[in-house]
Amino acid sequence: ILNVEQSPQSLHVQEGDSTNFTCSFPSSNFYALHWYRWETAKSPEALFVMTLNGDEKKKGRISATLNTKEGYSYLYIKGSQPEDSATYLCASVRGAQKLVFGQGTRLTINP
Amino acid sequence: DTEVTQTPKHLVMGMTNKKSLKCEQHMGHRAMYWYKQKAKKPPELMFVYSYEKLSINESVPSRFSPECPNSSLLNLHLHALQPEDSALYLCASSQDLGDNQPQHFGDGTRLSIL
Repeated sequence: ILNVEQSPQSLHVQEGDSTNFTCSFPSSNFYALHWYRWETAKSPEALFVMTLNGDEKKKGRISATLNTKEGYSYLYIKGSQPEDSATYLCASVRGAQKLVFGQGTRLTINP
Repeated sequence: DTEVTQTPKHLVMGMTNKKSLKCEQHMGHRAMYWYKQKAKKPPELMFVYSYEKLSINESVPSRFSPECPNSSLLNLHLHALQPEDSALYLCASSQDLGDNQPQHFGDGTRLSIL
Protein backbone atom coordinates (compact mmCIF):
# COMPACT_ATOMS: atom_id res chain seq x y z
CA ILE A 1 0.00 0.00 0.00
CA LEU A 2 1.50 3.33 -1.07
CA ASN A 3 -1.22 5.66 0.12
CA VAL A 4 -3.49 5.91 3.14
CA GLU A 5 -6.83 4.35 2.33
CA GLN A 6 -10.03 4.39 4.36
CA SER A 7 -13.13 2.25 3.97
CA PRO A 8 -15.96 2.59 3.63
CA GLN A 9 -16.16 6.11 2.17
CA SER A 10 -19.54 6.64 3.80
CA LEU A 11 -21.65 4.82 6.33
CA HIS A 12 -25.19 5.19 7.64
CA VAL A 13 -25.84 3.66 11.06
CA GLN A 14 -28.95 3.51 13.18
CA GLU A 15 -28.75 5.27 16.54
CA GLY A 16 -27.72 2.81 19.23
CA ASP A 17 -25.93 0.45 16.85
CA SER A 18 -22.18 -0.11 16.98
CA THR A 19 -19.96 0.36 13.95
CA ASN A 20 -16.37 0.23 12.81
CA PHE A 21 -14.26 1.31 9.86
CA THR A 22 -10.78 0.76 8.53
CA CYS A 23 -7.63 2.71 7.79
CA SER A 24 -4.88 1.05 5.71
CA PHE A 25 -1.41 2.60 5.53
CA PRO A 26 2.11 1.75 4.35
CA SER A 27 3.60 -0.64 6.91
CA SER A 28 7.22 0.18 6.01
CA ASN A 29 8.98 2.96 7.95
CA PHE A 30 6.06 3.34 10.32
CA TYR A 31 6.17 6.30 12.71
CA ALA A 32 2.65 6.86 14.02
CA LEU A 33 -1.01 6.78 13.05
CA HIS A 34 -3.43 9.62 13.91
CA TRP A 35 -7.24 9.56 14.01
CA TYR A 36 -9.27 12.79 13.76
CA ARG A 37 -12.99 13.54 13.89
CA TRP A 38 -14.17 16.38 11.64
CA GLU A 39 -17.69 17.68 12.15
CA THR A 40 -19.24 19.93 9.53
CA ALA A 41 -18.36 23.62 9.99
CA LYS A 42 -15.90 22.79 12.78
CA SER A 43 -12.18 22.06 12.96
CA PRO A 44 -10.70 18.54 12.90
CA GLU A 45 -10.38 17.19 16.43
CA ALA A 46 -7.67 14.74 17.44
CA LEU A 47 -9.02 11.42 18.75
CA PHE A 48 -5.98 9.18 19.03
CA VAL A 49 -2.28 9.05 18.23
CA MET A 50 -1.05 5.46 18.06
CA THR A 51 2.54 4.33 17.80
CA LEU A 52 2.88 0.76 19.07
CA ASN A 53 1.90 -2.42 17.24
CA GLY A 54 -1.04 -4.03 19.02
CA ASP A 55 -1.92 -0.80 20.77
CA GLU A 56 -5.54 -0.17 21.68
CA LYS A 57 -6.82 3.24 22.76
CA LYS A 58 -10.21 4.24 24.12
CA LYS A 59 -12.04 7.55 24.57
CA GLY A 60 -15.57 7.13 25.88
CA ARG A 61 -17.52 5.02 23.36
CA ILE A 62 -14.78 5.26 20.72
CA SER A 63 -11.79 2.94 20.54
CA ALA A 64 -9.06 2.17 18.03
CA THR A 65 -6.61 -0.64 17.39
CA LEU A 66 -3.34 -0.69 15.48
CA ASN A 67 -1.51 -3.36 13.48
CA THR A 68 1.73 -1.89 12.17
CA LYS A 69 3.01 -5.15 10.66
CA GLU A 70 0.11 -5.46 8.24
CA GLY A 71 -0.60 -1.73 8.03
CA TYR A 72 -4.13 -1.22 9.30
CA SER A 73 -6.07 0.42 12.10
CA TYR A 74 -9.71 -0.01 13.07
CA LEU A 75 -11.91 2.62 14.69
CA TYR A 76 -14.89 1.35 16.68
CA ILE A 77 -17.89 3.33 17.93
CA LYS A 78 -20.13 1.61 20.45
CA GLY A 79 -23.79 2.61 20.78
CA SER A 80 -23.74 5.33 18.10
CA GLN A 81 -25.32 8.68 18.95
CA PRO A 82 -26.37 11.49 16.58
CA GLU A 83 -23.43 13.60 17.80
CA ASP A 84 -21.07 10.95 16.40
CA SER A 85 -22.04 12.05 12.88
CA ALA A 86 -18.82 13.37 11.32
CA THR A 87 -16.04 12.54 8.92
CA TYR A 88 -13.38 10.37 10.53
CA LEU A 89 -9.90 10.87 9.11
CA CYS A 90 -6.83 8.79 9.70
CA ALA A 91 -3.34 10.01 8.89
CA SER A 92 -0.05 8.18 8.64
CA VAL A 93 2.99 10.06 9.91
CA ARG A 94 5.81 10.00 7.35
CA GLY A 95 8.38 11.46 9.73
CA ALA A 96 8.66 14.80 11.58
CA GLN A 97 4.88 15.32 11.84
CA LYS A 98 4.37 15.04 8.09
CA LEU A 99 0.81 13.72 8.07
CA VAL A 100 -0.61 11.96 5.01
CA PHE A 101 -4.39 11.76 5.35
CA GLY A 102 -6.83 9.20 4.02
CA GLN A 103 -9.99 10.28 2.21
CA GLY A 104 -12.04 9.83 5.36
CA THR A 105 -15.15 7.86 6.31
CA ARG A 106 -18.29 10.00 6.44
CA LEU A 107 -20.49 8.62 9.22
CA THR A 108 -24.18 9.52 9.52
CA ILE A 109 -26.19 8.37 12.52
CA ASN A 110 -29.90 8.03 11.81
CA PRO A 111 -32.13 8.78 14.83
CA ASP B 1 -14.13 26.46 20.74
CA THR B 2 -10.90 25.81 18.86
CA GLU B 3 -7.63 26.92 20.48
CA VAL B 4 -6.15 27.71 17.08
CA THR B 5 -7.66 30.87 15.64
CA GLN B 6 -7.65 31.59 11.94
CA THR B 7 -8.62 34.85 10.24
CA PRO B 8 -10.39 35.65 8.08
CA LYS B 9 -12.98 32.86 7.94
CA HIS B 10 -13.78 33.66 4.31
CA LEU B 11 -11.75 35.50 1.67
CA VAL B 12 -12.58 36.35 -1.90
CA MET B 13 -9.78 37.83 -3.99
CA GLY B 14 -8.84 38.49 -7.56
CA MET B 15 -5.84 36.95 -9.26
CA THR B 16 -3.86 40.19 -9.00
CA ASN B 17 -4.55 40.84 -5.32
CA LYS B 18 -2.18 40.39 -2.40
CA LYS B 19 -3.70 39.12 0.84
CA SER B 20 -2.61 37.25 3.96
CA LEU B 21 -4.11 34.47 6.05
CA LYS B 22 -3.39 34.55 9.76
CA CYS B 23 -3.18 31.83 12.36
CA GLU B 24 -2.65 32.21 16.10
CA GLN B 25 -2.25 29.80 19.01
CA HIS B 26 -1.43 30.42 22.65
CA MET B 27 -0.86 26.84 23.79
CA GLY B 28 2.92 27.22 23.77
CA HIS B 29 3.20 24.91 20.77
CA ARG B 30 6.47 25.12 18.85
CA ALA B 31 5.36 23.47 15.61
CA MET B 32 2.82 25.00 13.23
CA TYR B 33 1.41 23.84 9.90
CA TRP B 34 -0.48 24.98 6.81
CA TYR B 35 -2.75 22.55 4.95
CA LYS B 36 -4.82 22.95 1.80
CA GLN B 37 -8.09 21.07 1.47
CA LYS B 38 -10.04 20.88 -1.78
CA ALA B 39 -13.66 19.74 -1.79
CA LYS B 40 -14.12 15.99 -1.16
CA LYS B 41 -10.35 15.55 -0.76
CA PRO B 42 -8.24 15.07 2.38
CA PRO B 43 -6.10 17.91 3.75
CA GLU B 44 -2.71 18.16 2.05
CA LEU B 45 0.33 19.43 3.91
CA MET B 46 1.88 22.63 2.53
CA PHE B 47 4.37 23.91 5.12
CA VAL B 48 5.73 22.96 8.54
CA TYR B 49 7.42 25.39 10.92
CA SER B 50 9.38 24.25 13.95
CA TYR B 51 10.69 26.78 16.46
CA GLU B 52 9.86 29.54 13.98
CA LYS B 53 11.99 28.02 11.23
CA LEU B 54 10.63 26.49 8.04
CA SER B 55 11.06 22.75 8.36
CA ILE B 56 9.08 21.36 5.42
CA ASN B 57 7.94 22.94 2.14
CA GLU B 58 5.93 20.40 0.15
CA SER B 59 6.93 21.87 -3.22
CA VAL B 60 4.35 24.63 -2.86
CA PRO B 61 4.31 27.29 -5.64
CA SER B 62 6.04 30.55 -4.72
CA ARG B 63 2.76 32.46 -4.96
CA PHE B 64 2.21 31.08 -1.44
CA SER B 65 4.70 32.57 1.03
CA PRO B 66 4.63 31.45 4.68
CA GLU B 67 5.92 33.50 7.56
CA CYS B 68 6.31 32.74 11.27
CA PRO B 69 6.97 36.08 13.04
CA ASN B 70 6.95 34.47 16.50
CA SER B 71 6.07 31.20 18.18
CA SER B 72 2.36 32.06 18.42
CA LEU B 73 1.73 33.38 14.91
CA LEU B 74 1.79 31.88 11.45
CA ASN B 75 0.94 33.81 8.31
CA LEU B 76 0.39 32.73 4.73
CA HIS B 77 0.96 35.52 2.22
CA LEU B 78 -0.90 35.15 -1.07
CA HIS B 79 -0.02 36.82 -4.37
CA ALA B 80 -1.09 36.22 -7.95
CA LEU B 81 -3.17 33.17 -7.09
CA GLN B 82 -4.95 31.05 -9.67
CA PRO B 83 -8.59 29.88 -9.64
CA GLU B 84 -7.41 26.34 -8.80
CA ASP B 85 -6.04 27.71 -5.52
CA SER B 86 -9.60 28.12 -4.26
CA ALA B 87 -9.82 25.81 -1.25
CA LEU B 88 -10.09 25.61 2.53
CA TYR B 89 -6.77 26.51 4.16
CA LEU B 90 -6.26 24.93 7.54
CA CYS B 91 -3.71 25.89 10.16
CA ALA B 92 -2.61 23.48 12.88
CA SER B 93 -0.15 23.36 15.74
CA SER B 94 1.47 20.71 17.89
CA GLN B 95 3.69 20.77 20.94
CA ASP B 96 6.70 19.88 18.81
CA LEU B 97 7.62 17.65 15.86
CA GLY B 98 7.38 14.46 17.91
CA ASP B 99 5.45 11.77 16.05
CA ASN B 100 3.23 11.04 19.06
CA GLN B 101 1.95 14.62 19.29
CA PRO B 102 -1.61 15.28 18.10
CA GLN B 103 -2.20 18.31 15.90
CA HIS B 104 -4.70 20.99 16.92
CA PHE B 105 -6.53 22.53 13.98
CA GLY B 106 -8.21 25.86 13.40
CA ASP B 107 -11.57 26.24 11.66
CA GLY B 108 -9.88 27.22 8.42
CA THR B 109 -10.10 30.06 5.92
CA ARG B 110 -12.27 29.40 2.89
CA LEU B 111 -10.53 31.10 -0.04
CA SER B 112 -12.15 31.86 -3.37
CA ILE B 113 -10.12 33.19 -6.30
CA LEU B 114 -12.07 35.06 -8.94
